[in-house]
Amino acid sequence: DAGVIQSPRHEVTEMGQEVTLRCKPISGHDYLFWYRQTMMRGLELLIYFNNNVPIDDSGMPEDRFSAKMPNASFSTLKIQPSEPRDSAVYFCASNINGQGAYEQYFGPGTRLTVT
Amino acid sequence: AQSVTQLDSHVSVSEGTPVLLRCNYSSSYSPSLFWYVQHPNKGLQLLLKYTSAATLVKGINGFEAEFKKSETSFHLTKPSAHMSDAAEYFCVVSDFSNTGKLIFGQGTTLQVKP
Repeated sequence: DAGVIQSPRHEVTEMGQEVTLRCKPISGHDYLFWYRQTMMRGLELLIYFNNNVPIDDSGMPEDRFSAKMPNASFSTLKIQPSEPRDSAVYFCASNINGQGAYEQYFGPGTRLTVT
Repeated sequence: AQSVTQLDSHVSVSEGTPVLLRCNYSSSYSPSLFWYVQHPNKGLQLLLKYTSAATLVKGINGFEAEFKKSETSFHLTKPSAHMSDAAEYFCVVSDFSNTGKLIFGQGTTLQVKP
């Protein structure tokens, strides 16, 4: 299996621009999670989906952030407009309910820099 | 509510000496516990997991952890540190509500000196 795939790996954009991060979970996994990691705040859960449906988006920092999962093999995290404080590494993870005690499999992350 | 506390934000050891990374958990239920490792500029990788079977859990790269219910601890150990062990380590507990949600500790940075 290819594991969780994220793209792009690095993104540099200017303040005010729209940013879209992409994630392909492991085939057959029914949960998908988006995290953000910064030095100041550590690893934060932003939102997660079960069977393509958003379950908990309480970690999404502002309305500028939105996430979708149109099908079982693809999810996006969008920031519009982006701000310098959004600079972070964004991780996507997936797992399958009831198996492996809910361990999550992480992608390599997208390093976002907003100037 | 579930929570984990990693007792040290930074641990420094010499190569070849034992490693001990400490973690305490809080849970109203029998928890599932994990240790993840993150090498610089990499994603998170599962080291090992406890799922109410054997209390001593062996993971990859020579790491192991012991679940101690009486002490609510799940400390990570390795007999002999290697330079490649230098990384960030996260102690994690699964949310009891069956959602697959994980609760992460703040992380411990392991430095290995030659």
